[in-house]
Amino acid sequence: KQEVTQIPAALSVPEGENLVLNCSFTDSAIYNLQWFRQDPGKGLTSLLLIQSSQREQTSGRLNASLDKSSGRSTLYIAASQPGDSATYLCAVTYGNNRLAFGKGNQVVVIP
Amino acid sequence: DTAVSQTPKYLVTQMGNDKSIKCEQNLGHDTMYWYKQDSKKFLKIMFSYNNKELIINETVPNRFSPKSPDKAHLNLHINSLELGDSAVYFCASSQDWGKTNEKLFFGSGTQLSVL
Repeated sequence: KQEVTQIPAALSVPEGENLVLNCSFTDSAIYNLQWFRQDPGKGLTSLLLIQSSQREQTSGRLNASLDKSSGRSTLYIAASQPGDSATYLCAVTYGNNRLAFGKGNQVVVIP
Repeated sequence: DTAVSQTPKYLVTQMGNDKSIKCEQNLGHDTMYWYKQDSKKFLKIMFSYNNKELIINETVPNRFSPKSPDKAHLNLHINSLELGDSAVYFCASSQDWGKTNEKLFFGSGTQLSVL
């Protein structure tokens, strides 16, 4: 059974600091890993998708790395802004195309 | 234009009632999903349809019945609602099924409260 853990569950950082969010998964036999953003009362928005053969993906201030063998991924958000405040979810695709989600990292960026 | 839209956004109802949640996507995707996010914030797959065919049916009570009249729609009907059904239900879609680069697109969720 695939289990996804995200640490820390919640964090607050002052504006301008870099954010580091961690995700770990128990079964390294994955097809891909996705990072999502969830705002209160809204759906999830896909931020980055890393295929199992890739090591990282970048989009603007966001960079996600994947170490499949150790079952870890890290999402870096450079120079955080108040608009980055949200919950960030990590999900892995495994088995018969199923997604397993973590509980998320709840981020508050303090102006 | 909203890519994945679901209605209603909020649903408050009594135990024992039957209710439906509708979902539509205008992305031209072949695959649609229903996810449940419980009070502990875990998101879990319930159902997945590919080209109107059911391909994932997780351990969900048979009171839950999805229906896909066409590729752009996946509705969820719930019979005899129970307190434990209270959660946020998300609809999602992806271009295809089984490819390693498939991104999921989510609707904004339906918050169901069973009293």
